[in-house]
Amino acid sequence: NAGVTQTPKFQVLKTGQSMTLQCAQDMNHEYMSWYRQDPGMGLRLIHYSVGAGITDQGEVPNGYNVSRSTTEDFPLRLLLAAPSQTSVYFCASSPRQGAKTEAFFGQGTRLTVV
Amino acid sequence: GNSVTQMEGPVTLSEEAFLTINCTYTATGYPSLFWYVQYPGEGLQLLLKATKADDKGSNKGFEATYRKETTSFHLEKGSVQVSDSAVYFCALTLKTSYDKVIFGPGTSLSVIP
Repeated sequence: NAGVTQTPKFQVLKTGQSMTLQCAQDMNHEYMSWYRQDPGMGLRLIHYSVGAGITDQGEVPNGYNVSRSTTEDFPLRLLLAAPSQTSVYFCASSPRQGAKTEAFFGQGTRLTVV
Repeated sequence: GNSVTQMEGPVTLSEEAFLTINCTYTATGYPSLFWYVQYPGEGLQLLLKATKADDKGSNKGFEATYRKETTSFHLEKGSVQVSDSAVYFCALTLKTSYDKVIFGPGTSLSVIP
């Protein structure tokens, strides 16, 4: 039972480079989201999707793009990496059954931008 | 706006000590409340939840009661173990927010033998 799978686990980028963080879930969940985790700030929502073809911005969307072409996949793109994007990134999914359901998280991607 | 406040720690306890991590929230409407735990090097996983006032969530010896009058959801465990060392996040969701989770800053717990 894979759950939510994120790749890669670790990545080092140079300023100005681009990359895509991959996220896939095999639970047929409608709702998927990306968070970044920074010391003392908890998790902050970057982008989310309520279903294939539908995405929206979260609390800290600047510098990131997303798309949702299938129910399973929700990649996060950094177009011009900056040192401020050094963080740990988590993808999460949940069934769309209202506010009472838990979110399922991937194991995270630790990104360093130098 | 909607928010979650929790003691940030770090908290260091000896094995078998009593644990309390305070969590209070501000929310419009009636949120569902959660505690997530993050073990070293891993993602977050649900520890327990409560979806209405006076509900008590419990799991692995941890408990938390949804107190609407004090807008609180404090996490407790009677006797902690070294294996409980982790970061604990209090969180809420609102029916009006398409399941977006609002997290507190997290509390780091270290349990020493």
